[in-house]
Amino acid sequence: GIQVEQSPPDLILQEGANSTLRCNFSDSVNNLQWFHQNPWGQLINLFYIPSGTKQNGRLSATTVATERYSLLYISSSQTTDSGVYFCAVEQASGTYKYIFGTGTRLKVLA
Amino acid sequence: DTGVSQNPRHKITKRGQNVTFRCDPISEHNRLYWYRQTLGQGPEFLTYFQNEAQLEKSRLLSDRFSAERPKGSFSTLEIQRTEQGDSAMYLCASSHSGSYMNTEAFFGQGTRLTVV
Repeated sequence: GIQVEQSPPDLILQEGANSTLRCNFSDSVNNLQWFHQNPWGQLINLFYIPSGTKQNGRLSATTVATERYSLLYISSSQTTDSGVYFCAVEQASGTYKYIFGTGTRLKVLA
Repeated sequence: DTGVSQNPRHKITKRGQNVTFRCDPISEHNRLYWYRQTLGQGPEFLTYFQNEAQLEKSRLLSDRFSAERPKGSFSTLEIQRTEQGDSAMYLCASSHSGSYMNTEAFFGQGTRLTVV
């Protein structure tokens, strides 16, 4: 099956710093999503981004489907950005499930 | 619509007991998914439905697990003869389906199961 890898696995930032999270996938995908998991376990939708670039406030994302990767940019990080970030891909092979990456655990220090 | 709703939020059960979780998807979504997440890991796919049909099941879904979605609306996930290894967060998600539809998945708050 498709493999989804995220890097870095852990990231510690000072408040105000910028960061880039990466998601690599091993096969063609129909769709890709980025989620933020809060301390209570809720998965919050950040981006639905099968290709191209999107921005939402301090966050933006880019997916280059032909090269099988996606990037999530966090600018001017805040302590509330702390948590785990997951990418999830819907494989293009006819199965409609989303496969999650390994996650990036982000801690933003005040 | 308030999003995907899961009940209960927490469940503590003794080993060997049966448990059942409920998921109410976003009303216009015809696709419904179940995932399991253990500490420090990403969510793992268990099964999904399109309307009332269960179209795929993971090998993680042993014979003790069964899921239903009668009438294509809410879904239930039952675990029989629970084991300590079943302790996890069980997540439900829903989405539209179709080649030209936005298939963005939305997740519920999860049911945290502890088997003692």
